[in-house]
Amino acid sequence: ILNVEQSPQSLHVQEGDSTNFTCSFPSSNFYALHWYRWETAKSPEALFVMTLNGDEKKKGRISATLNTKEGYSYLYIKGSQPEDSATYLCALHTDKLIFGTGTRLQVFP
Amino acid sequence: GAGVSQTPSNKVTEKGKYVELRCDPISGHTALYWYRQSLGQGPEFLIYFQGTGAADDSGLPNDRFFAVRPEGSVSTLKIQRTERGDSAVYLCASSLTPEHEQYFGPGTRLTVT
Repeated sequence: ILNVEQSPQSLHVQEGDSTNFTCSFPSSNFYALHWYRWETAKSPEALFVMTLNGDEKKKGRISATLNTKEGYSYLYIKGSQPEDSATYLCALHTDKLIFGTGTRLQVFP
Repeated sequence: GAGVSQTPSNKVTEKGKYVELRCDPISGHTALYWYRQSLGQGPEFLIYFQGTGAADDSGLPNDRFFAVRPEGSVSTLKIQRTERGDSAVYLCASSLTPEHEQYFGPGTRLTVT
C-alpha cells in the first residue's frame, strides 16, 4: 500500500509571506501526482497535474515541482493572501487517487 | 458544463439507521469514484466503478457499506446500521477513463449521532 505523506500538517502565515509544503511518496509507479486545493463545503479544486520527473508547473503565485527519483513534490505559494487559506492535498494517481493527509494553510491579514 | 453533484450536502442520522448518498457524475464519464475524509485525515478511497461494474471495492471498510451504479451514470453509496465512526465527508469524483483526471463533487457531510 502506497503511503503518501504531507508536511507540515498545518501552517499559519501572515499575508505577504511565501510558503511551501512537501508531499513525499515511496514509489514512482503512478500516472501522475495531483495537487488539490480544498475549502470546506466546496469541491476539491485541481491545481496541478505533475507527470514527469523534473516537472515544474506554475499558475499565478502558485508553483509546484516533482522529483520522482527522490520521491517528493513541493508546492510553493508566493506572497500568500487570505484567500489562499485552505487545505492543500497531494494525491498519487494510480487506478485511483491515494491522498496525503493534507496541509491546512491559514493566512492572516 | 455541469460538474459532479452530490446530494444531500449534509446528512445527520442516528446510530443504527440506514443512509443513502447520491452522486451525479459528469455526463460521459465512465469512471466514478467514492472517497471518504474523516477528521484530520486525507480522503481515503472506498470504491470505483468502470461503467456499471465495481472495478475495485477494496476500500470499503466492511459489509455495512455498499455502492451501486445500475445504469453507468448516477451512483448511490449505501450505509447500513450507521455507527458514529462513519461520520465523515463522503466525496464522489468522475473521470473520462481511469487514466484521466478526476473531477470532484462538493461532498456529503455525514454526521451520525
